[in-house]
Amino acid sequence: ETGVTQTPRHLVMGMTNKKSLKCEQHLGHNAMYWYKQSAKKPLELMFVYSLEERVENNSVPSRFSPECPNSSHLFLHLHTLQPEDSALYLCASSQDPETDSYNEQFFGPGTRLTVL
Amino acid sequence: GEDVEQSLFLSVREGDSSVINCTYTDSSSTYLYWYKQEPGAGLQLLTYIFSNMDMKQDQRLTVLLNKKDKHLSLRIADTQTGDSAIYFCAESLQNYGGATNKLIFGTGTLLAVQP
Repeated sequence: ETGVTQTPRHLVMGMTNKKSLKCEQHLGHNAMYWYKQSAKKPLELMFVYSLEERVENNSVPSRFSPECPNSSHLFLHLHTLQPEDSALYLCASSQDPETDSYNEQFFGPGTRLTVL
Repeated sequence: GEDVEQSLFLSVREGDSSVINCTYTDSSSTYLYWYKQEPGAGLQLLTYIFSNMDMKQDQRLTVLLNKKDKHLSLRIADTQTGDSAIYFCAESLQNYGGATNKLIFGTGTLLAVQP
């Protein structure tokens, strides 16, 4: 496998369920990101991990819980979600850029989440 | 604030040129990017421009940067049906307090190419 992969591609869950989204990158990068993509809204950065440490948490509700066990894997654990959390969740990775430098992020195909 | 703005929709005929516009807020952004998202896929980097440039050309793509107005545009010459996608503009935000810089994305512009 090459690039950034995400599983599952589609997920339907009830508000009381617990589920996890998985992201894996095969690019040797050391920074990973979770984004939320909703219709007609800017792409929202949720979490950033650099060298397996969380460096950004954009006021995301605690019902979203990220985990980065190593530089190749990133999880997003979900529990007691709301219908407004339905969206496309995108994972990305990049070579950890220093300030002022080029930061190309490579994206996975996303997980389409529907909360009933 | 950190805002990147784009119009939501653009429709062109095949063979015409498309121009997608973007305004951004952080005047210190070093790099500005254009990403493309095809249906059912993640975002893919199309091109980028360094902030000390005002134009960059790459085959059918031309990026224009007006730093004074904080305006970025992407021109696609001879637009094809395969160019139909959502196009995102992004600016890099520096020194935000972490070990990495981050990208601020716009809403995306849906480009529809009519045959």
